[in-house]
Amino acid sequence: DGGITQSPKYLFRKEGQNVTLSCEQNLNHDAMYWYRQDPGQGLRLIYYSQIVNDFQKGDIAEGYSVSREKKESFPLTVTSAQKNPTAFYLCASNPPQGYGYTFGSGTRLTVV
Amino acid sequence: EDQVTQSPEALRLQEGESSSLNCSYTVSGLRGLFWYRQDPGKGPEFLFTLYSAGEEKEKERLKATLTKKESFLHITAPKPEDSATYLCAVQPGANSKLTFGKGITLSVRP
Repeated sequence: DGGITQSPKYLFRKEGQNVTLSCEQNLNHDAMYWYRQDPGQGLRLIYYSQIVNDFQKGDIAEGYSVSREKKESFPLTVTSAQKNPTAFYLCASNPPQGYGYTFGSGTRLTVV
Repeated sequence: EDQVTQSPEALRLQEGESSSLNCSYTVSGLRGLFWYRQDPGKGPEFLFTLYSAGEEKEKERLKATLTKKESFLHITAPKPEDSATYLCAVQPGANSKLTFGKGITLSVRP
């Protein structure tokens, strides 16, 4: 079945460490997105990519980095510069001229 | 700037007590309005897409409607398994990003 796979489901990070969240899709979608979700704040866009080797900052890109070397993959790195990284992270995609998003199951990141 | 406002923030219903969730929006041209259901610790699951004012769609106990300024998600005779957060989003054009509301947390008591 086609879909988006996020891994790991739970991730713990020590302060000062960089961590990378994986997002893989087999839907042949061009556009991919990373969102952060905090209680009471809804979904906030971190980065998005509409084509391989190209990506744009979203509303809260500071402290995050991404790459898009393959159509299927859009990993997100949470760097030590992100001051409050504990959150639920969601990856999404949509096809060209497509309506709406397909979401992954999310990664919960906790700083310990 | 596109905006989506959902109300109320939280809603508690008794099983069988019908109600409606509201999604008000301002957008520079609407390509689609979307409703998603999200269970705790999971990604949003697609429910409906509405394209034009007057359109309605139904799925089991849920019915979504659309006007030029807002959308309603009507829940008829809800059951405890309908408890979740319901997200509304708008897409202004092809290949454009979705703008999401903050969601409505619905709790249905048995």
